[in-house]
Amino acid sequence: AQSVTQLDSQVPVFEEAPVELRCNYSSSVSVYLFWYVQYPNQGLQLLLKYLSGSTLVKGINGFEAEFNKSQTSFHLRKPSVHISDTAEYFCAVTTITSGTYKYIFGTGTRLKVLA
Amino acid sequence: DAGVTQSPTHLIKTRGQQVTLRCSPKSGHDTVSWYQQALGQGPQFIFQYYEEEERQRGNFPDRFSGHQFPNYSSELNVNALLLGDSALYLCASSSPPGQGIHEQYFGPGTRLTVT
Repeated sequence: AQSVTQLDSQVPVFEEAPVELRCNYSSSVSVYLFWYVQYPNQGLQLLLKYLSGSTLVKGINGFEAEFNKSQTSFHLRKPSVHISDTAEYFCAVTTITSGTYKYIFGTGTRLKVLA
Repeated sequence: DAGVTQSPTHLIKTRGQQVTLRCSPKSGHDTVSWYQQALGQGPQFIFQYYEEEERQRGNFPDRFSGHQFPNYSSELNVNALLLGDSALYLCASSSPPGQGIHEQYFGPGTRLTVT
């Protein structure tokens, strides 16, 4: 079975500073990885995804993530954050099973950008 | 192009009652998945519908049931509501499972409160 661990429940960071949100997964088969962002009282919006190919994935709003198979990690990074990046961030993993798939989400990391 | 829509946005029910939540997928999508997101937690997969059939199910009791209509819209039904069913219920749509892994597009959710 797959699982996702987001090691930090909250990450405070000052505006224009870099940030890294950590995500580790476990799976016995090939995985597909995603990062979603959730603003207050809203649904989830896809930031980026890793399906195959280059291990460095670029997403929207200046975010990027690197897939590291040996460390089973998919950490999210941004070189300079803005106040508007304050939100909850979720890492998710999925595999194809019997022709279908489901997403397994981590518990989320609350990013708080300070002025 | 309308994205994923859900109704109602908020709902208050009493223990023991039944509730029906509705979802319309993004244009061009025919696969619908439902998730439960408790406060402070990541989304938990309930089930997925494709071609009007339940294709995969998470670890939820039979009190949770669903339906998909020929126009691809979907309903989530919860019987005998418990206080612990209070959560944000998210609907996500995607391309058919057989076409590989595609990102899921999420609706804004329905906030269910059970008193």
